[in-house]
Amino acid sequence: GDSVTQMQGQVTLSEDDFLFINCTYSTTWYPTLFWYVQYPGEGPQLLLKVTTANNKGISRGFEATYDKGTTSFHLQKASVQESDSAVYYCVLGDNTNTGKLTFGDGTVLTVKP
Amino acid sequence: GPKVLQIPSHQIIDMGQMVTLNCDPVSNHLYFYWYKQILGQQMEFLVNFYNGKVMEKSKLFKDQFSVERPDGSYFTLKIQPTALEDSAVYFCASSSSGTVYAEQFFGPGTRLTVL
Repeated sequence: GDSVTQMQGQVTLSEDDFLFINCTYSTTWYPTLFWYVQYPGEGPQLLLKVTTANNKGISRGFEATYDKGTTSFHLQKASVQESDSAVYYCVLGDNTNTGKLTFGDGTVLTVKP
Repeated sequence: GPKVLQIPSHQIIDMGQMVTLNCDPVSNHLYFYWYKQILGQQMEFLVNFYNGKVMEKSKLFKDQFSVERPDGSYFTLKIQPTALEDSAVYFCASSSSGTVYAEQFFGPGTRLTVL
């Protein structure tokens, strides 16, 4: 079945640092990939999606692309702010159109002022 | 942006009792989902629901689980009877379509503790 692995459980940065977090995915289908972000006390919310390999998803200063060859999907931001502190989930969509999402474990990002 | 509400935010019950978790989805959405997240573990898909029917369910969606949305009111997840392993945060989500491209809007979750 589909699976997602996020290697970085926790990332701590200072404001204006560069962010790069990565995940790998496994699916028998052509992947549609998402990054969801979860702030304290809230549910996950869509940050961006990428439907085609090597195309870039962009939202709120974040960028993401996936590589079919290495089955990796990364999220980056040039300059993080304290308000970016949250949990970031790498998510794989089900291309059989059931709407099922497969979540990674999440990366807890802490940005210090 | 669009909001999904979940009631209650916390629920504590004794093992064997029945519990109903309520979700108020985004008003014009037609597709509804439940996900389960045990503390420290991945969020996992339980079920999706459209047009009064379960479309897909995972192996976590045990026989003791049921979902419904009577007459456009709350979308509910009922567990009867509950077991200790049902303790988790349950997230409801809704979307305007069932395709992989549709954004799912999540509620803040209901934390269920089974004693």
